[in-house]
Amino acid sequence: GAGVSQSPSNKVTEKGKDVELRCDPISGHTALYWYRQSLGQGLEFLIYFQGNSAPDKSGLPSDRFSAERTGGSVSTLTIQRTQQEDSAVYLCASSTVFHEQYFGPGTRLTVT
Amino acid sequence: AQSVTQPDIHITVSEGASLELRCNYSYGATPYLFWYVQSPGQGLQLLLKYFSGDTLVQGIKGFEAEFKRSQSSFNLRKPSVHWSDAAEYFCAVGASGTGTASKLTFGTGTRLQVTL
Repeated sequence: GAGVSQSPSNKVTEKGKDVELRCDPISGHTALYWYRQSLGQGLEFLIYFQGNSAPDKSGLPSDRFSAERTGGSVSTLTIQRTQQEDSAVYLCASSTVFHEQYFGPGTRLTVT
Repeated sequence: AQSVTQPDIHITVSEGASLELRCNYSYGATPYLFWYVQSPGQGLQLLLKYFSGDTLVQGIKGFEAEFKRSQSSFNLRKPSVHWSDAAEYFCAVGASGTGTASKLTFGTGTRLQVTL
């Protein structure tokens, strides 16, 4: 079946602009996760959604970062007033409750 | 807090040779453990997982890993490496529990180079 999809695959933006990154999880997966992968920090957890529970936002690096998940499916990660240190690959994953997370191809964000 | 250490940043092996990638974790109980592989420009692909039971788990592409509680380790092995195995390998730990998903904490990765 279809895997996790993310769009756009690449995004170049100017410092100070807002960006939205989209994730379509695997159908039927109740949990959705966002991670960030950068050269200096490796793979970092950002946020996750589990069903109708309040999201775990403990990994968000600043209040410029936010995410929502509409209808228990598609998720959007928003970064406001982007900074150069936000440049990274943003990975989305989804899973059932059994922790086996399946990752999308990622969105490469470059802030100039 | 949970953590993962992959002590080898870069490993080079000859095609056909055996491979072992090391992973040590820190977690207060029996964790859920994973190995993922990432080829250049690609997302993460799950190789194998350990939740409970048999400590030797088999994965895709001929990989296996052994959970050793006494050593807090979950090393990845393959008897004979193929050139296509060249990639970056990540060990990850997730909090164990019942019916609750959780975030993964990743190690810093080991880059595998395969020489012909």
